[in-house]
Amino acid sequence: DAKTTQPNSMESNEEEPVHLPCNHSTISGTDYIHWYRQLPSQGPEYVIHGLTSNVNNRMASLAIAEDRKSSTLILHRATLRDAAVYYCILIIQGAQKLVFGQGTRLTINP
Amino acid sequence: SAVISQKPSRDICQRGTSLTIQCQVDSQVTMMFWYRQQPGQSLTLIATANQGSEATYESGFVIDKFPISRPNLTFSTLTVSNMSPEDSSIYLCSVGTSGRRVSTDTQYFGPGTRLTVL
Repeated sequence: DAKTTQPNSMESNEEEPVHLPCNHSTISGTDYIHWYRQLPSQGPEYVIHGLTSNVNNRMASLAIAEDRKSSTLILHRATLRDAAVYYCILIIQGAQKLVFGQGTRLTINP
Repeated sequence: SAVISQKPSRDICQRGTSLTIQCQVDSQVTMMFWYRQQPGQSLTLIATANQGSEATYESGFVIDKFPISRPNLTFSTLTVSNMSPEDSSIYLCSVGTSGRRVSTDTQYFGPGTRLTVL
């Protein structure tokens, strides 16, 4: 599986936007970009995924660079409940499993 | 979506014993996945369990240590055998529900089983 690089930790303030970066310079044309997050003492939960175009859903937006070597998860207005570890995961088309990296621990200040 | 429950939620066990963890899903699913999360670490896939076939184990995990059962489309068990303190972890199961490939599917995770081995 292609490797992703994320900052170990980030900090932001409540009600402000948060941009979580992910580098994936070895991505191939058929790798999907997925984001999951793990709230404290819970299992991971799906956030968003995309292939080439930017994606929006009720939780977040995913901005994918034109060369696809990086992407950014955008939380438009962070709340305290968004404090979690965020995982950026590349999945080969047709793959049968998720491979988690170390993720970014996001802290939200009140 | 899928609602997943795991039993037990936590346990403290003695070394050399075995523990069986149950994973129950509220809908029928083809593939179920078992993960381990060691303290302060990310998730590591142990194996993939399909109903009606042998589980597929990832590198570093073997059936004798982590036997898996998948008797039907809503249930699976993972046994941690002959436990040592190094097995102290959170064990999680997950499923996809759409029947699509993992690359385009949403995975749902159980709450995890926190295991401490003394």
